[in-house]
Amino acid sequence: GDSVTQMEGPVTLSEEAFLTINCTYTATGYPSLFWYVQYPGEGLQLLLKATKADDKGSNKGFEATYRKETTSFHLEKGSVQVSDSAVYFCALRDQAGTALIFGKGTTLSVSS
Amino acid sequence: DAGVTQSPTHLIKTRGQQVTLRCSPKSGHDTVSWYQQALGQGPQFIFQYYEEEERQRGNFPDRFSGHQFPNYSSELNVNALLLGDSALYLCASSLVARGQETQYFGPGTRLLVL
Repeated sequence: GDSVTQMEGPVTLSEEAFLTINCTYTATGYPSLFWYVQYPGEGLQLLLKATKADDKGSNKGFEATYRKETTSFHLEKGSVQVSDSAVYFCALRDQAGTALIFGKGTTLSVSS
Repeated sequence: DAGVTQSPTHLIKTRGQQVTLRCSPKSGHDTVSWYQQALGQGPQFIFQYYEEEERQRGNFPDRFSGHQFPNYSSELNVNALLLGDSALYLCASSLVARGQETQYFGPGTRLLVL
């Protein structure tokens, strides 16, 4: 079945460092891909998405490119801030186009 | 524009009891999905409701049931609660009728089963 694998955390960075969180997927066809962020004690917020190969999703300085060849959707940000500290989830929409399948999440901690 | 709302925010129950969680979708959305998020894990899909019917179901037992009302709001019911049902329950809404299936999440209901 469809699945998402993302790098284990926690990821600890200093402010203004470069961020990469790896995400790879297994799916039939070309699913839509998403990154969600969860701040402490809150629900999930959509960060960005891509619906077809080579699409680049971007928002708030974060970017991710849908790579069909490597079945990847890595999240990047050029300069992280303390306020970016949160748990980041990579997800795909399943074959039926209904359910989101999530990775286990990667905790990011940014210190000043 | 009101986002997805859920109630209650927190709930404590004992094993064997039943619980009902509620969700109001984002304004203009017609579809509600429910997810269970255990501590330290990613959300797991429970089911989705569209046009007042269960559209798809994840790998959850029949103890988990739901309902969608004509105003698109939804309830999640869990019977015969187990300790393992303790989790954050997330509701997400989307607009299927117009092909806009990006799901927007509510803040969740945190359920503790003792």
